[in-house]
Amino acid sequence: AQTVTQSQPEMSVQEAETVTLSCTYDTSESDYYLFWYKQPPSRQMILVIRQEAYKQQNATENRFSVNFQKAAKSFSLKISDSQLGDAAMYFCAYLNRDDKIIFGKGTRLHILP
Amino acid sequence: GAVVSQHPSRVICKSGTSVKIECRSLDFQATTMFWYRQFPKQSLMLMATSNEGSKATYEQGVEKDKFLINHASLTLSTLTVTSAHPEDSSFYICSAVPWTEAFFGQGTRLTVV
Repeated sequence: AQTVTQSQPEMSVQEAETVTLSCTYDTSESDYYLFWYKQPPSRQMILVIRQEAYKQQNATENRFSVNFQKAAKSFSLKISDSQLGDAAMYFCAYLNRDDKIIFGKGTRLHILP
Repeated sequence: GAVVSQHPSRVICKSGTSVKIECRSLDFQATTMFWYRQFPKQSLMLMATSNEGSKATYEQGVEKDKFLINHASLTLSTLTVTSAHPEDSSFYICSAVPWTEAFFGQGTRLTVV
């Protein structure tokens, strides 16, 4: 069975600074998808970024980028130029062959003005 | 992206009654949908996989008789919490994975009084 580990329950970053959220996972599958989801106070799950395991190039979406290290099974999220609206719970997630999403425990990100 | 609509967003019910939550895929067909439960400040926990035209598959520890799932059409899955108790109070979210990406409903906050 796959597992996803987020070792940082909470993090804080100064507005306009850069922050990196960590995620590691465990799987025996060779082809899979990884995601970062944002959950604001509304609790709506919002896709931040997605990475296909077969792609070596790290995914980027505007201020959000990942550092995907397949051999190390690491998938960290970097947020550049942090904004107040980035404050939320962030979940690292793994999509397995059965289309089940396995979530990490989450990292609560605080943005300091 | 695909749209998943979940209703109601909030519901309050009395102990011992049943409550039904609907999850609809609005612009795609979903043979499989997933139901998650989220406790405050915790991650999403997969409860069950809803399969169109067949029985749902429940995760270990989830009571089948308490959480009834019906997936009668390709666009609708329902979760019925039967004989609700205060400990069933939680946030419930459905999702579908039409093409290697999960789309989530808005969630339902259930309060049992």
